[in-house]
Amino acid sequence: GDSVTQMEGPVTLSEEAFLTINCTYTATGYPSLFWYVQYPGEGLQLLLKATKADDKGSNKGFEATYRKETTSFHLEKGSVQVSDSAVYFCARGIQGAQKLVFGQGTRLTINP
Amino acid sequence: DGGITQSPKYLFRKEGQNVTLSCEQNLNHDAMYWYRQDPGQGLRLIYYSQIVNDFQKGDIAEGYSVSREKKESFPLTVTSAQKNPTAFYLCASQDSRGLYGYTFGSGTRLTVV
Repeated sequence: GDSVTQMEGPVTLSEEAFLTINCTYTATGYPSLFWYVQYPGEGLQLLLKATKADDKGSNKGFEATYRKETTSFHLEKGSVQVSDSAVYFCARGIQGAQKLVFGQGTRLTINP
Repeated sequence: DGGITQSPKYLFRKEGQNVTLSCEQNLNHDAMYWYRQDPGQGLRLIYYSQIVNDFQKGDIAEGYSVSREKKESFPLTVTSAQKNPTAFYLCASQDSRGLYGYTFGSGTRLTVV
């Protein structure tokens, strides 16, 4: 079935380090792909998205490229800040249905 | 500004009580969703609705009920049949094309006392 697998956390980095959070999805059709971020005690916010193969979503220094050949949508940032500490969720759309399937989330902590 | 509002932010329930969580959106979205999040866990779908007066069970619907009488509103009732209701509840909405992902509310934290 439709699923999303994320890199297990928690992930702890120092400020200004390079970040990669891996995300792969099951290859059913050509789903839209999303990254959401959740800060403590809050709902999820859309961080970026991509709707077709080779699209690159970007926002706030984060990037992710829709890789059809590897069914991946890895999140990257070149230089993380303490304020990037949050839980990150990868998600995919389900073709023919108005639902998203979420990964289990990856907790990121950035130390000064 | 358009958005999705959940209330209350914190809710306490006694054993055996039903409680209702409110979710209202002014985004003109057709679809609305309820998710449950437990500490350190991902999101689990409780119920969703793609159109007024229609809704479908998600993965963990037992012990919950919903209604969709208006496009803007999708309240969730946590019934006494839900044995472990303490969790963070998230409401979301999406437009009919599903191209832009969900817009989430800020959540309701429910605690059984």
